[in-house]
Amino acid sequence: NAGVTQTPKFQVLKTGQSMTLQCAQDMNHEYMSWYRQDPGMGLRLIHYSVGAGITDQGEVPNGYNVSRSTTEDFPLRLLSAAPSQTSVYFCASSPGDLSEKLFFGSGTQLSVL
Amino acid sequence: AQSVTQLGSHVSVSEGALVLLRCNYSSSVPPYLFWYVQYPNQGLQLLLKYTSAATLVKGINGFEAEFKKSETSFHLTKPSAHMSDAAEYFCASSGTYKYIFGTGTRLKVLA
Repeated sequence: NAGVTQTPKFQVLKTGQSMTLQCAQDMNHEYMSWYRQDPGMGLRLIHYSVGAGITDQGEVPNGYNVSRSTTEDFPLRLLSAAPSQTSVYFCASSPGDLSEKLFFGSGTQLSVL
Repeated sequence: AQSVTQLGSHVSVSEGALVLLRCNYSSSVPPYLFWYVQYPNQGLQLLLKYTSAATLVKGINGFEAEFKKSETSFHLTKPSAHMSDAAEYFCASSGTYKYIFGTGTRLKVLA
């Protein structure tokens, strides 16, 4: 079982560069989400999706775009990276019933210089 | 608005002592509540969850939590700390299509 797969695991960007963090799940989960984790701030929700074609903003959406063209994939795009986006990013999914737990990917450590 | 507050960003206990990690939630209706654990350089693992079936919830590794609606709390406890419990713990709630996390509590276990 692959579960939730995130790529890359590590990335270094220069200010102003763009990139896409990939997230894929093979559990046919309707719900997918992106979080960033910063020291002392816990996990903050960036964007989430309740199904293919449906996305919405979380707590800290500025500077990030998402799309959900398939049930399996939920990429996170940084259009113009800023040092404030240096963080660890986690993708997570669940079947869609909010009583179910989130399944987490292993994370992407991003540094923006 | 849905929110979760964890009191104490760092907690230290001696090995064998009681572990108590505090979580309070804010919601117009009782939400679903979760405790996750994160070991260094790893993702988050579910410890336990509350879904209204029972107010006292037992999880993995000897942890349990009690849902108290009157106090809007969902504190995590373990009777006897073990060195392997050293990790960061996150309380979370779900509702209105979102899972919201607290800021985390780092547990240190002293020998």
